[in-house]
Amino acid sequence: ETGVTQTPRHLVMGMTNKKSLKCEQHLGHNAMYWYKQSAKKPLELMFVYNFKEQTENNSVPSRFSPECPNSSHLFLHLHTLQPEDSALYLCASSQTTGTGGTEAFFGQGTRLTVV
Amino acid sequence: GQNIDQPTEMTATEGAIVQINCTYQTSGFNGLFWYQQHAGEAPTFLSYNVLDGLEEKGRFSSFLSRSKGYSYLLLKELQMKDSASYLCAVHDSNYQLIWGAGTKLIIKP
Repeated sequence: ETGVTQTPRHLVMGMTNKKSLKCEQHLGHNAMYWYKQSAKKPLELMFVYNFKEQTENNSVPSRFSPECPNSSHLFLHLHTLQPEDSALYLCASSQTTGTGGTEAFFGQGTRLTVV
Repeated sequence: GQNIDQPTEMTATEGAIVQINCTYQTSGFNGLFWYQQHAGEAPTFLSYNVLDGLEEKGRFSSFLSRSKGYSYLLLKELQMKDSASYLCAVHDSNYQLIWGAGTKLIIKP
């Protein structure tokens, strides 16, 4: 298996549920990212991990909680979400952060619907 | 603030040429990326420009003018499979990626 893999592809959850999104990369990269993609809006960077250390948290509500146990795996734990959190959640990886020319490789995303 | 502008939607005909523009205002510049995203799929890397000029890669070319804060993606010999969204993104002075909202390209037979 190659590239960046996200599970599940689709998720419907109630506002009181707890769920987790999983991302795995097989590219040997050191940086991993969570993005939120809403219709007709730019990609919103949520969290960045570099060498397993969180380097960015872009004012994301605490109902989103990331976890990076190693450089290959990234989780996004979800708790008491709101309907406006419904979106496509994309995971990406790159060789590292803070250098030019390093493109990001994306997973296919998890389509999240909060009801 | 930082901002990237690109048209929301464009329509072109199969076999034709289309140019998708991107203008940016960012705190510093360390390179510009174009990505393609088919509906329901992952964005995939198309091109990277850090110096002024044209980068050609098969049917796709990308141009950059740093003095004008401007780039375009040129798609030649359009095929139906080119129907997708095209995302422009810029590395700012901190190498943070700033994204445009994407241009949805519709190809008609």
